[in-house]
Amino acid sequence: GQSLEQPSEVTAVEGAIVQINCTYQTSGFYGLSWYQQHDGGAPTFLSYNALDGLEETGRFSSFLSRSDSYGYLLLQELQMKDSASYFCAVRGFSGTYKYIFGTGTRLKVLA
Amino acid sequence: DAGVTQSPTHLIKTRGQQVTLRCSPKSGHDTVSWYQQALGQGPQFIFQYYEEEERQRGNFPDRFSGHQFPNYSSELNVNALLLGDSALYLCASSTQQATGAPLHFGNGTRLTVT
Repeated sequence: GQSLEQPSEVTAVEGAIVQINCTYQTSGFYGLSWYQQHDGGAPTFLSYNALDGLEETGRFSSFLSRSDSYGYLLLQELQMKDSASYFCAVRGFSGTYKYIFGTGTRLKVLA
Repeated sequence: DAGVTQSPTHLIKTRGQQVTLRCSPKSGHDTVSWYQQALGQGPQFIFQYYEEEERQRGNFPDRFSGHQFPNYSSELNVNALLLGDSALYLCASSTQQATGAPLHFGNGTRLTVT
């Protein structure tokens, strides 16, 4: 089967840097995506890693290492509005169109 | 530019009843996927529609069915509702699912089965 594991909760203070990890057990996939979801809201796309390495988008960066079956989302200069749930997701090979989402990490940013 | 819209936002049903949820994709998108999200968990894939056909189905029983219309909008139908069907139902649209194409989600329909 395919699974993506994330820490259930992470807490940090405003202005800090936080890393949310995603470890996976899955056969080949196209890339690793990250989504943010505020309470009561829709998941919104943050980042996508097609290849190993670091992708940077403003305050957010994402990393993928296929050899280590591991990825992470790095959030810098944390703001209160970053308090949300974060999900990693993959779409597998072989004609599959579904995305498999991770267990989700709830980030709490403290003042 | 309208994003993905879903209706209704909330719904309360009784066990055994049937429900229909609706989704209009983002302008320019032709592919609609439905996901079920239980509280505190990640979204689970139900099925995807493209060109008015179900292209792929997740691990959900036949009580879950859907439809896509010529204007790309979609419906999710659930028959014989169970208490365990209580969840947030998310619709996501995309273009012809090129690898890495992000999913655009609606705000979801919160279904409560009593």
